[in-house]
Amino acid sequence: NAGVMQNPRHLVRRRGQEARLRCSPMKGHSHVYWYRQLPEEGLKFMVYLQKENIIDESGMPKERFSAEFPKEGPSILRIQQVVRGDSAAYFCASSRDRGLYEQYFGPGTRLTVT
Amino acid sequence: GENVEQHPSTLSVQEGDSAVIKCTYSDSASNYFPWYKQELGKRPQLIIDIRSNVGEKKDQRIAVTLNKTAKHFSLHITETQPEDSAVYFCAASSGNTPLVFGKGTRLSVIA
Repeated sequence: NAGVMQNPRHLVRRRGQEARLRCSPMKGHSHVYWYRQLPEEGLKFMVYLQKENIIDESGMPKERFSAEFPKEGPSILRIQQVVRGDSAAYFCASSRDRGLYEQYFGPGTRLTVT
Repeated sequence: GENVEQHPSTLSVQEGDSAVIKCTYSDSASNYFPWYKQELGKRPQLIIDIRSNVGEKKDQRIAVTLNKTAKHFSLHITETQPEDSAVYFCAASSGNTPLVFGKGTRLSVIA
């Protein structure tokens, strides 16, 4: 019963480098959501994707951040030219369908920008 | 857009006592209200959820109540145990909008 998988679990990047975070949804789930969590804060929605489509990116910063969910392979959240303020835990969640269906979270990727 | 407020931010209870966490939401179109438990360094785990056609839902020691008129919902944990210590998040969604989370409640159960 594989749950949502994320890798890497920890990622250290220097300012200006690129960060790539990967998420494989639960089996049978075709909806992926990315959230960012700052220390001592709640989860902030970033983007919602289905296979090959971005459905809602209203929470995504306009610059440097992008996301994809290709036909084959995991969903990827990409952060270009990282800055210290990007340091956070990034969680992805998946659901069987949109709407009133449960979202299950992966273990998160903790990004540290030095 | 939706705004979710959660109270209290921290809560300490003696083992065996009950704990109540409250959330209010602003968007009357919201109709799905999940609760997540997050232990330190771990993923948020869905523990219970409620939809707007129901006023209360119970699962063993946890229960959630929803008052749509007042736009608030609450998590109740009875007979608390040390392993209930964690951060709890409420969230709200209309189904076609992203989940909006509260800022969390850090629950400490003192043995």
